[in-house]
Amino acid sequence: QSLLTQAPSTSGTAGQTVTISCSGGRFTIGSNTVNWYQKLPGTAPKLLIFNNNQRPSGVPDRFSGSKSGTSASLAISGLQSEDEADYYCASWNDDLNGVAFGGGTKLTVL
Amino acid sequence: QVQLQESGPGLVKPSETLSLNCTVSGDSISRDYWTWIRQPPGKGLEWLGSIFHNGYTIHNPSLKSRVTISVDTSKSQFFMKLSSVTAADTAVYYCARGGVGSGDYSPLDPWGQGSLVTVAS
Repeated sequence: QSLLTQAPSTSGTAGQTVTISCSGGRFTIGSNTVNWYQKLPGTAPKLLIFNNNQRPSGVPDRFSGSKSGTSASLAISGLQSEDEADYYCASWNDDLNGVAFGGGTKLTVL
Repeated sequence: QVQLQESGPGLVKPSETLSLNCTVSGDSISRDYWTWIRQPPGKGLEWLGSIFHNGYTIHNPSLKSRVTISVDTSKSQFFMKLSSVTAADTAVYYCARGGVGSGDYSPLDPWGQGSLVTVAS
């Protein structure tokens, strides 16, 4: 059972904006920043967003993150076929003293 | 540019110990935390544990002390051992830099390419 809750799947058509949500609690997202990872099939996860809303160099500005209270969101605008992947949120868990991952959201581009 | 590479046997028998190495290149291992994560087939990511260069470690308590993580800074490597494995431990195992810290939580970046380990007799 994941400590952070994500919807198992979502979909959108090319060009649309989709939002992926991540829900935690006061010991996770409520107290710590959130990072997002993109995992394409057969490849290692790639850092997409860090510190709630910061993009590493090379990540398109179509990807944006936000956090409010004990929840966080990843928005992908101008959806492209290559965005089809699994997306994971992660934060620190002060109670566990360890990493908390979301269960992952599979994005399908229709 | 830092790179990480996992290595180890791809097949482990039930009840035995799974051992993996992670070699760090392009940056010093003597700073930052270094982390092990796994992904069972069809499932999500699971944090296994992390180690600092001085040997300080933290582990996922759900693994009930089966995980041992160590580091050899002279070889720029860190290691993970998982004892008493079962089929449920079949997964792709990743090593990554960072991933520890309350408050401004440090991201896991970069990741190794992953090493598939199958537990079967």
